[in-house]
Formats: sequence, C-alpha cells, structure tokens
Amino acid sequence: AQSVTQPDIHITVSEGASLELRCNYSYGATPYLFWYVQSPGQGLQLLLKYFSGDTLVQGIKGFEAEFKRSQSSFNLRKPSVHWSDAAEYFCAVGPYSSASKIIFGSGTRLSIRP
Amino acid sequence: NAGVTQTPKFQVLKTGQSMTLQCAQDMNHEYMSWYRQDPGMGLRLIHYSVGAGITDQGEVPNGYNVSRSTTEDFPLRLLSAAPSQTSVYFCASSYGTSYNEQFFGPGTRLTVL
Repeated sequence: AQSVTQPDIHITVSEGASLELRCNYSYGATPYLFWYVQSPGQGLQLLLKYFSGDTLVQGIKGFEAEFKRSQSSFNLRKPSVHWSDAAEYFCAVGPYSSASKIIFGSGTRLSIRP
Repeated sequence: NAGVTQTPKFQVLKTGQSMTLQCAQDMNHEYMSWYRQDPGMGLRLIHYSVGAGITDQGEVPNGYNVSRSTTEDFPLRLLSAAPSQTSVYFCASSYGTSYNEQFFGPGTRLTVL
C-alpha cells in the first residue's frame, strides 16, 4: 500500500530564510504527488501537484517542489519565507490506479521567527 | 460563490447520540469527500463520492454513513457517537477526481463525551 512520510513534525525558520520541507513516499510506480497548506483555523489549500513531466513544479505563493524518483521524495521549497507562511503543510500521494483516494502525510508545522 | 460550506462549526455530543454533519458546495463539482483530522495523523479519508447517487468507503469508514442525493450536498452521519470520533471533520470537493484541486470547507470540530 502506498504511504507518505513527513519526517519533520515542527520546523522554525527566520523570516527571509530559505525553507525546505521533506516528504517521502512509498509506492511501486510513480504516484501523483501534492502539497497542501493549512493556515490556522482554516481548511486546506492546494499549493502544487506533480503528475508527470518536468520534475521541478512551481506552485502558488512562491513555493516549488522537486520530484526525485531515486530518493522517493517530493520536497517543498521556498527561497525566502514570509511571516504569513506560518501554517501546517501536508504532502499527499495518490496511486495511478485510483483517482478517487489520496493519502495525506501527518503534516509539518512551520513557525516563522521574526 | 460560497465554495464549500460546513455546518455546524462546533458540536458536542454524548456517547451514543447520533448527528449529521452538513456539507454543501456550489461549484458543480462531481467529487466530494469527508476527512477527519487528528493530531499527528494528518487527514484520513472517511467516505467519498464521485457523483450523485455514488458513494464509496475511504480509509476509516466505520461508524459513519454518507449519501449523495444531489450534486451539491454530501452529509456525513454519525450513527452512534463514540469518544474515538472526537476530531475535526473536513469536507472537500473537486472537479472529476481527488487528483484535481480539492476545495476544503472550514471544518467542524466535534467532541464526543
């Protein structure tokens, strides 16, 4: 069965610093990959997704993610974080065989140091 | 457009009580889903629907029922609430499948005593 792991529960970075959030997946074939963000007290919002093609994916709010098949990873990056980026970030994976279910990771909470 | 709406925002139940969480969307999305969010566990899919009259189970369906009589509405029923169902519940919708962008409601925080 496919699964997704976010090894960092909580990360704190300084405003203006770069950010990388880790995501590893377990699946036999190339899955569909997603990053969602949840601001405090809100529902989730899609940041970006990867289905195929260019392994570097651009998303909203200045985020990007890189799919690395050899490492089974889909890490999220941002070159310079803003205080408004403080939120919880979820990586998710969907199997090619079923477009009806995606599996979410446990999330990484991002705090921004002024 | 209101997007995805959920009611109520907060609910406290006693063990054994039943209730329905309401979810509605005005975007004419075929796909709708219910997730529960628990600390350290991310979101887990409870039930989903790919269109009116069609529903299926997700990862954690036990203790929950759904129906989809219209495209707009997708209520979640707790038949006999248990403390293990204390959670935050999110409804989401998207065009076609869950692989398209899912739009999430604001959530319902449920406490079962």
